[in-house]
Amino acid sequence: QQQVKQSPQSLIVQKGGISIINCAYENTAFDYFPWYQQFPGKGPALLIAIRPDVSEKKEGRFTISFNKSAKQFSLHIMDSQPGDSATYFCAASIRRDDKIIFGKGTRLHILP
Amino acid sequence: DAGVIQSPRHEVTEMGQEVTLRCKPISGHDYLFWYRQTMMRGLELLIYFNNNVPIDDSGMPEDRFSAKMPNASFSTLKIQPSEPRDSAVYFCASSAGNGVTFGSGTRLTVV
Repeated sequence: QQQVKQSPQSLIVQKGGISIINCAYENTAFDYFPWYQQFPGKGPALLIAIRPDVSEKKEGRFTISFNKSAKQFSLHIMDSQPGDSATYFCAASIRRDDKIIFGKGTRLHILP
Repeated sequence: DAGVIQSPRHEVTEMGQEVTLRCKPISGHDYLFWYRQTMMRGLELLIYFNNNVPIDDSGMPEDRFSAKMPNASFSTLKIQPSEPRDSAVYFCASSAGNGVTFGSGTRLTVV
């Protein structure tokens, strides 16, 4: 059973464009939704996170939108840059330090 | 802050051999996680500890896998005997209430 579903698997965006990655979850007990960024040969790194009592969170060019009723959340990368090319994972957990359930990942490529 | 330190970075071993992966969490972190990453299955949680005590090992694939945390600064993941399907990148991660930090991983190849 895949508890966190992520789409698309891969995404190509022009430099300066908006990258959008979508996720859906099933377990309503989830209370913490982080996004991780992973570069080749590195471990995933926490990018931004949100709790379900907030509908949107913005940090620089990165924004999470959260729809609790639909059990969906998304990552928007504004003004996408070649340095943003990486694999992005959405995730969910019941508590911030509890086990994190990851989506399958989205490989993002920003064209220069 | 040196981050989560894993060793070795790469390991190539023959089928049937014992493999031990090592992890030093960030000092002061009281949660430690072992994840496995493959193309087919993505990132899977194998086991996690809180204050050196295993909390959930439901992700450990089978009895060939075992993990220990003898103290707050060290953990091991052991595979005995190893099989080709164990080939993956194994990540250790730790946390102290402010999000989970991953190490750089150990790439295991079983031939």
